[in-house]
Amino acid sequence: EPEVTQTPSHQVTQMGQEVILRCVPISNHLYFYWYRQILGQKVEFLVSFYNNEISEKSEIFDDQFSVERPDGSNFTLKIRSTKLEDSAMYFCASGDTAGGTEAFFGQGTRLTVV
Amino acid sequence: EDQVTQSPEALRLQEGESSSLNCSYTVSGLRGLFWYRQDPGKGPEFLFTLYSAGEEKEKERLKATLTKKESFLHITAPKPEDSATYLCAVPYSGAGSYQLTFGKGTKLSVIP
Repeated sequence: EPEVTQTPSHQVTQMGQEVILRCVPISNHLYFYWYRQILGQKVEFLVSFYNNEISEKSEIFDDQFSVERPDGSNFTLKIRSTKLEDSAMYFCASGDTAGGTEAFFGQGTRLTVV
Repeated sequence: EDQVTQSPEALRLQEGESSSLNCSYTVSGLRGLFWYRQDPGKGPEFLFTLYSAGEEKEKERLKATLTKKESFLHITAPKPEDSATYLCAVPYSGAGSYQLTFGKGTKLSVIP
């Protein structure tokens, strides 16, 4: 069964460092998303990406964050100058149609900023 | 502001003891309601999409229903492997929006 794959599963980084979280969406999907979940809190939307550009972003997704689809299979989230409060599970998701239909999530990357 | 509220926050059931989880929402122009299952330290696993009031979907011991203001996830004769957090989500009502708004979830524990 097709699935969304994320690497690494766990990343520990020093405050102020840059991290890149990687995702391989389901191959025939066109819509890509990043969400995050701080421990014990709700899953929160960060950004959606379609046709090689950002479709929508939340207030969380400030200049510290960027996304890229560098080739036909990978989708990345870059966090520049990480802060302690960036510690969370980051989930990549993909879907074959927009908005009102299913988004399939990866297993997540646990980011710990120390 | 779109809101998704789930209740109860936590539910402990004996194996075989059926129950229901609730998801109430306030969003204009509902474009679907999604149920996900989330195991500890894992990503949300898609279960169901419901689009219109009166619609029902079933999968093994789970049945999801939808009204104009809320959705229920009914669990019939649960087993310990059904223990997980169940999340409800709706697409944001903004025109052309792709983002999902999630509830806090109901943590289900099924005791053997």
